[in-house]
Amino acid sequence: SAVISQKPSRDICQRGTSLTIQCQVDSQVTMMFWYRQQPGQSLTLIATANQGSEATYESGFVIDKFPISRPNLTFSTLTVSNMSPEDSSIYLCSVGQEKPQHFGDGTRLSIL
Amino acid sequence: GENVEQHPSTLSVQEGDSAVIKCTYSDSASNYFPWYKQELGKGPQLIIDIRSNVGEKKDQRIAVTLNKTAKHFSLHITETQPEDSAVYFCAASRGQGGKLIFGQGTELSVKP
Repeated sequence: SAVISQKPSRDICQRGTSLTIQCQVDSQVTMMFWYRQQPGQSLTLIATANQGSEATYESGFVIDKFPISRPNLTFSTLTVSNMSPEDSSIYLCSVGQEKPQHFGDGTRLSIL
Repeated sequence: GENVEQHPSTLSVQEGDSAVIKCTYSDSASNYFPWYKQELGKGPQLIIDIRSNVGEKKDQRIAVTLNKTAKHFSLHITETQPEDSAVYFCAASRGQGGKLIFGQGTELSVKP
């Protein structure tokens, strides 16, 4: 299975600031996914990021709040913009291309 | 919309006993059902999956059953061990590499 690395692994941020999370995969993949896991909760898909096209966002998530880049087949970033305490969550990227999805260990984000 | 219900939310068993976690899904077009194990501080790890053309799949102490008519699928862990303690998530999707809809999670505790 693909090895997925996320940076940073955790961060504490001030409200109103933005943070960019990086996801690096050790093999080329067409589809990458970004999920949010709020404290003690399940995973919710934010968006699907395909290389060469705009990300597709799920209901309740908008590009202005969660801009995503997908510059190549092994890398993606998710930015959490204008953060508030409600954005405190684990943000996870995953990859899947006609294969089971595998996840990185996530970025644990706390907003003060 | 698409929904996956998971029960129970918490499960405590004695070491050596069996554990069963159940999920139901709403989208009749779902045809792929993975199970993930999430340990503290880690991302979800795929432990077993099943496609809709199969009724049961087993891998050592872990088995998954699927009832397409009732839209139910279940995870069975036999001879539980303390290291099985974790949060388990079921999920459903319309394809192996597609968007996953997750259940709410089950916190399994195996007491020595």
